[in-house]
Amino acid sequence: QKEVEQNSGPLSVPEGAIASLNCTYSDRGSQSFFWYRQYSGKSPELIMFIYSNGDKEDGRFTAQLNKASQYVSLLIRDSQPSDSATYLCALYNNNDMRFGAGTRLTVKP
Amino acid sequence: EADIYQTPRYLVIGTGKKITLECSQTMGHDKMYWYQQDPGMELHLIHYSYGVNSTEKGDLSSESTVSRIRTEHFPLTLESARPSHTSQYLCASSVGDGNTIYFGEGSWLTVV
Repeated sequence: QKEVEQNSGPLSVPEGAIASLNCTYSDRGSQSFFWYRQYSGKSPELIMFIYSNGDKEDGRFTAQLNKASQYVSLLIRDSQPSDSATYLCALYNNNDMRFGAGTRLTVKP
Repeated sequence: EADIYQTPRYLVIGTGKKITLECSQTMGHDKMYWYQQDPGMELHLIHYSYGVNSTEKGDLSSESTVSRIRTEHFPLTLESARPSHTSQYLCASSVGDGNTIYFGEGSWLTVV
């Protein structure tokens, strides 16, 4: 089992819909969690991070963390074609950052 | 947001050549990383450093070497490039434990 699991997609949603991206992890000791967005041919850029159980909202983005179930998710409300990218889940544990393989999201106009 | 600079951004070199990819950050971050990523594929950590004179190999075996003589500088060297080294190389940095990793814009290397 990989330490960080993501559905590779592609996930396709219509413009204006809610996109839901999920990530599960294996190590219960993981301490902090991150979502990065990576456009094709570009480097990853941070969208948001979350440390505590529950929801954290930032504009159209909401990160959800459930440590008991070992998953973290990212919701994108009112999806736009410019949100089309690969979304990387990452977590920090024992002095080490681990990245998932990413989920490719396509938002269709 | 961290300022991380990578040079060159794009490079085409011949097999057997020696190449150094430069990476510098201006934020005083203690931790620096090199990732390798093929198009459409996942990130692979190849080297990391927790501070000056500290370097470690990452998860993916790499024929490259790194050095960390100054906090802000973390160059990666390929002594003898091969076509299998063709990839994007991403430098990154962070500060402290559990904090955000910031990426440079990447160096695209093609070995012919």
